[in-house]
Amino acid sequence: KQEVTQIPAALSVPEGENLVLNCSFTDSAIYNLQWFRQDPGKGLTSLLLIQSSQREQTSGRLNASLDKSSGRSTLYIAASQPGDSATYLCAVRSPTGGFKTIFGAGTRLFVKA
Amino acid sequence: SAVISQKPSRDICQRGTSLTIQCQVDSQVTMMFWYRQQPGQSLTLIATANQGSEATYESGFVIDKFPISRPNLTFSTLTVSNMSPEDSSIYLCSVAQGSTDTQYFGPGTRLTVL
Repeated sequence: KQEVTQIPAALSVPEGENLVLNCSFTDSAIYNLQWFRQDPGKGLTSLLLIQSSQREQTSGRLNASLDKSSGRSTLYIAASQPGDSATYLCAVRSPTGGFKTIFGAGTRLFVKA
Repeated sequence: SAVISQKPSRDICQRGTSLTIQCQVDSQVTMMFWYRQQPGQSLTLIATANQGSEATYESGFVIDKFPISRPNLTFSTLTVSNMSPEDSSIYLCSVAQGSTDTQYFGPGTRLTVL
């Protein structure tokens, strides 16, 4: 059974700092891994998707990496801004169990101005 | 990317009543997913809805409590029946689209049951 863990649960950083959010998963047989952002009381916004055959994806100040063998993904945020404050969710889609998407509990990020 | 809308955006309901949540997608999709996010928690999949067939429910969720309709390839409804305060959550509609099966979410319906 796939389990997804995110560390840390919460993070507070000063504006301008580079930071890394971690996601680990127990079953390396994944279809894809997706990072989302969720603002309080809102839906999810897709940030990056990494397919099983890929090692990383980049979008602007965001870079996501994937290491299937170790069951890990990282989301790197460069030059953080107060507008980056949100909860970041890691989601793993696995072929076992019918391609269900399993979510981590999220990392709540606060960027101080 | 898929654009998904949900109605209502929020509601406050009395115990024992039912609420139907609508989900509309701007393009045709095969599968639509319904999730629940309880306060302070991550997302839990309720069911997967395919057009033209019965929805597939996850462990812990039953059709009598969460009936789902999927009348066409762009629309679905989720009903939360006989509500109790424990049903207070955000309910989210989602689709997977494109060659990469990127998942997109609606804005959610915030339900409070008194």
